[in-house]
Amino acid sequence: DTEVTQTPKHLVMGMTNKKSLKCEQHMGHRAMYWYKQKAKKPPELMFVYSYEKLSINESVPSRFSPECPNSSLLNLHLHALQPEDSALYLCASSRRREGHEQYFGPGTRLTVT
Amino acid sequence: GNSVTQMEGPVTLSEEAFLTINCTYTATGYPSLFWYVQYPGEGLQLLLKATKADDKGSNKGFEATYRKETTSFHLEKGSVQVSDSAVYFCALSDPGGTSYGKLTFGQGTILTVHP
Repeated sequence: DTEVTQTPKHLVMGMTNKKSLKCEQHMGHRAMYWYKQKAKKPPELMFVYSYEKLSINESVPSRFSPECPNSSLLNLHLHALQPEDSALYLCASSRRREGHEQYFGPGTRLTVT
Repeated sequence: GNSVTQMEGPVTLSEEAFLTINCTYTATGYPSLFWYVQYPGEGLQLLLKATKADDKGSNKGFEATYRKETTSFHLEKGSVQVSDSAVYFCALSDPGGTSYGKLTFGQGTILTVHP
């Protein structure tokens, strides 16, 4: 089983709202990732967790706040977003951080109004 | 730093045609190489991988060979189907240096296959 699940599938939020994206995997992977993808572009890395600790933050604005409650779950908390934050948010996991293939979830389509 | 260059798209083919999507890379270490496919409205799916020079990755009729001498990882399929219409991303993961564990993606190639 190489499945990564993400909820919700679609999310519309106002600029003053607070919402969260959720990602889950049960493959025993110890590295988890958040990416942002704009239309017709490759995914852009936002955060990397390795063994439940944040190991990479790609200078993401503080209105995005990641959390890794345990080895299977990854959340992305959203607050005071801007319309330009509208995108597809992808979660991925890999066995370890170093050089292994990453498995992606289906994504959450976020629209900020 | 690391980089991946894919052939410009979009690519439009008729069903049963031969497909090649070129991919070349620059890396500081000894990267693993991947092809991912993204169907409309979906996330990325790992299509195939190769972890060392001369390895051939294959899946669902697609193949790519890790060529260290030409720093290339071209994707090929002998006979495409309408269902292969998607965006294809070449990517590398370099276990060394400052890019430790990160995936570097090419810009993506849009493939459209007509009946």
